[in-house]
Amino acid sequence: QQQVKQSPQSLIVQKGGISIINCAYENTAFDYFPWYQQFPGKGPALLIAIRPDVSEKKEGRFTISFNKSAKQFSLHIMDSQPGDSATYFCAAIPAGTASKLTFGTGTRLQVTL
Amino acid sequence: DSGVTQTPKHLITATGQRVTLRCSPRSGDLSVYWYQQSLDQGLQFLIQYYNGEERAKGNILERFSAQQFPDLHSELNLSSLELGDSALYFCASSSQGLAYNEQFFGPGTRLTVL
Repeated sequence: QQQVKQSPQSLIVQKGGISIINCAYENTAFDYFPWYQQFPGKGPALLIAIRPDVSEKKEGRFTISFNKSAKQFSLHIMDSQPGDSATYFCAAIPAGTASKLTFGTGTRLQVTL
Repeated sequence: DSGVTQTPKHLITATGQRVTLRCSPRSGDLSVYWYQQSLDQGLQFLIQYYNGEERAKGNILERFSAQQFPDLHSELNLSSLELGDSALYFCASSSQGLAYNEQFFGPGTRLTVL
């Protein structure tokens, strides 16, 4: 059972374009929503994260939009660059003292020149 | 470089064997996590330790076990290996192990079971 659904599976965007990746969740106990970026041969690295009490968070070219009622959140990469080519994972963590990251299935982004 | 180290980088073994993966967390981090990444299952949380104690358990098979030692390094033991255990195994660490603490991932150990 996939608790966090992510789409699309792959994405090709031209340099300077906007990349959009979407995620949806079912478990209302989820309380923290990070996005991870993974380059080939490397471990995932935290990109940006949001709590459900805000609807949007922006850090540089990266923005998370969060819709609590729809249980959906998305990552927008503005002015996409070839260096952004990587696999992106959305994730969710329930509130509490444990920290069980539940990942989406990943989106492979390719930014072309 | 995240500051999390994992050894070995690659491991090739046969079905039925047992292996141990090692992880050293970032300096000062008290919590260690183990994840498995495979093509069919994606990235899955296995287990979390905080200061030597198990804190959370995910989809970890009974053939797998882990522990965190007093110096805070951790080991993941995989036994009676099957072909399906071939995957990338990541260790991550965080300061307090709470939900909002950033998890820093190591470079992973690639396990191949033949």
